[in-house]
Amino acid sequence: GPKVLQIPSHQIIDMGQMVTLNCDPVSNHLYFYWYKQILGQQMEFLVNFYNGKVMEKSKLFKDQFSVERPDGSYFTLKIQPTALEDSAVYFCASSSYWGTQYFGPGTRLLVL
Amino acid sequence: AQKVTQTQTSISVMEKTTVTMDCVYETRDSSYFLFWYKQTASGEIVFLIRQDSYKKENATEGHYSLNFQKPKSSIGLIITATQIEDSAVYFCAMRDRNTEGADRLTFGKGTQLIIQP
Repeated sequence: GPKVLQIPSHQIIDMGQMVTLNCDPVSNHLYFYWYKQILGQQMEFLVNFYNGKVMEKSKLFKDQFSVERPDGSYFTLKIQPTALEDSAVYFCASSSYWGTQYFGPGTRLLVL
Repeated sequence: AQKVTQTQTSISVMEKTTVTMDCVYETRDSSYFLFWYKQTASGEIVFLIRQDSYKKENATEGHYSLNFQKPKSSIGLIITATQIEDSAVYFCAMRDRNTEGADRLTFGKGTQLIIQP
């Protein structure tokens, strides 16, 4: 199926530092998403993004989180500052209008 | 809020048999979309199959098919002729669309499928 890429695959940082997770969505997709998964449990929606703005965010999307996609480059999730509970796998997804969401391989974030 | 429930935590079957995984959902929408994904041992999440609620026919895709029972709010995944590589965690998900046109997926907790040789 369509491929979504995520960089980096793993990231270890100290609590309080900033981290940026990068996503390269499917080329003709216009809708972008971030999900969080802790320890192989269920995936939980964080945020969706369309036409340069956040359309909807969940309660998990704390004030320390932000997303952007400057000039059609990577779709990014920035966490500043990080907290211990931010340790998780973060999945990016993209879709066309009303289309199926396709997921990237995830970024495993460990906050120490 | 929408809800997706997978009650089977783990299923183990012999290779080349057929397995069914259960999923029930709750929604107030008259039109909705249901998906099955699998998560491999490496963590990759792979889209398998979807069912649009307005379609009466059960969706099929290769050796995956769905048992869509709308009155019961149920969307079971059927895998025929299972192979060792089908061993994975299977997630059921529902698209939740809010009034501003944005959407998100609500996932179940997943069912671990183990295929034994």
